[in-house]
Amino acid sequence: GENVGLHLPTLSVQEGDNSIINCAYSNSASDYFIWYKQESGKGPQFIIDIRSNMDKRQGQRVTVLLNKTVKHLSLQIAATQPGDSAVYFCAECTSGTYKYIFGTGTRLKVLA
Amino acid sequence: DAGVTQSPTHLIKTRGQQVTLRCSPKSGHDTVSWYQQALGQGPQFIFQYYEEEERQRGNFPDRFSGHQFPNYSSELNVNALLLGDSALYLCASSLGSNEKLFFGSGTQLSVL
Repeated sequence: GENVGLHLPTLSVQEGDNSIINCAYSNSASDYFIWYKQESGKGPQFIIDIRSNMDKRQGQRVTVLLNKTVKHLSLQIAATQPGDSAVYFCAECTSGTYKYIFGTGTRLKVLA
Repeated sequence: DAGVTQSPTHLIKTRGQQVTLRCSPKSGHDTVSWYQQALGQGPQFIFQYYEEEERQRGNFPDRFSGHQFPNYSSELNVNALLLGDSALYLCASSLGSNEKLFFGSGTQLSVL
């Protein structure tokens, strides 16, 4: 909603550059992960997902990398555009449970 | 294809009052989850409904209750409102658990 991410870590990138947003997840048993984008005044928007039997998945301009050894997830955005400016959250889920645990979020600012 | 819809978009209440928020899931989805997002934080899981029953609950007091109807739509009720209940309340739907979670735009609740 309004004022999402007032005190979040911020990543500033030049338009056209690649962005990498990182996330440390909490539960080693988590086996499904999603990246969300949240713009001010809106709910989280699904970007890309990955299951624990994979370590990389690509979408349109986005790539998610999963490192289960260190419980780390990253989102790579190629050729970052002004419309990519938003707060990005990673979310984890474990089979047999029904809740998603969200990270603290990262604000991405794209500089013209 | 309608996405997740929530109503109302904004709500102002006073301490001690009760509130009901409404959600219609994405077409074809049978599972509804509710999340609370405080300012500057990631969404926190409240509970999930499936087949008209609460399937899992997060760390929220009994003042938070819900309901799912036969058409899969859902309500979130909060009794005895506290100032700390001020937040963005998000509804998310999915087809089953551990699957892509799609969010609505949320209801911004302000408790005065």
